[in-house]
Amino acid sequence: GENVEQHPSTLSVQEGDSAVIKCTYSDSASNYFPWYKQELGKGPQLIIDIRSNVGEKKDQRIAVTLNKTAKHFSLHITETQPEDSAVYFCAASIDGGFKTIFGAGTRLFVKA
Amino acid sequence: KAGVTQTPRYLIKTRGQQVTLSCSPISGHRSVSWYQQTPGQGLQFLFEYFSETQRNKGNFPGRFSGRQFSNSRSEMNVSTLELGDSALYLCASSFGLADEQFFGPGTRLTVL
Repeated sequence: GENVEQHPSTLSVQEGDSAVIKCTYSDSASNYFPWYKQELGKGPQLIIDIRSNVGEKKDQRIAVTLNKTAKHFSLHITETQPEDSAVYFCAASIDGGFKTIFGAGTRLFVKA
Repeated sequence: KAGVTQTPRYLIKTRGQQVTLSCSPISGHRSVSWYQQTPGQGLQFLFEYFSETQRNKGNFPGRFSGRQFSNSRSEMNVSTLELGDSALYLCASSFGLADEQFFGPGTRLTVL
């Protein structure tokens, strides 16, 4: 069945460094790729998303890249800050909604 | 604009009991999805409602059910609770079926 693999499961970086989280998906029909940040005790929060007609999208310190041929997409966080510490989930779906398949999550630690 | 709200935030039940969880979507959103989040299985889709109709359902037993009201508020019910039902239950709302999802804080269910 459809699957989204996410790596690494844990990532520790020094404040100010960059962090990269990578995901691969199996369903070639997927065309919407959101990223969520989940802090302790809270629900996932949408931080950035990308659609299949775009190869890259940037929002301040966060960027997402998509390689449809390889079925890879990545989250890049630059100039990391302690408040970036959280669990990050990638997801792949067809037009959003019920066929959203989530990755297993990456726990990011940003050390001050 | 107020976000997605879920009540209650925490629940403790015993095996065999039943439970009802409530979700109020963002004002104007007509689609509500439910997810189960556990450390072992990650985020798994339960069902999605739009205009009071269940549009899609995940691979969960019939003990899991839901409904949506005319004001788009949604409830999910789990009957004959099992220990394995202990999880964080997340509700997400979106304007339409194919739009970005916004998550609530979740209801933490513990089954003893």
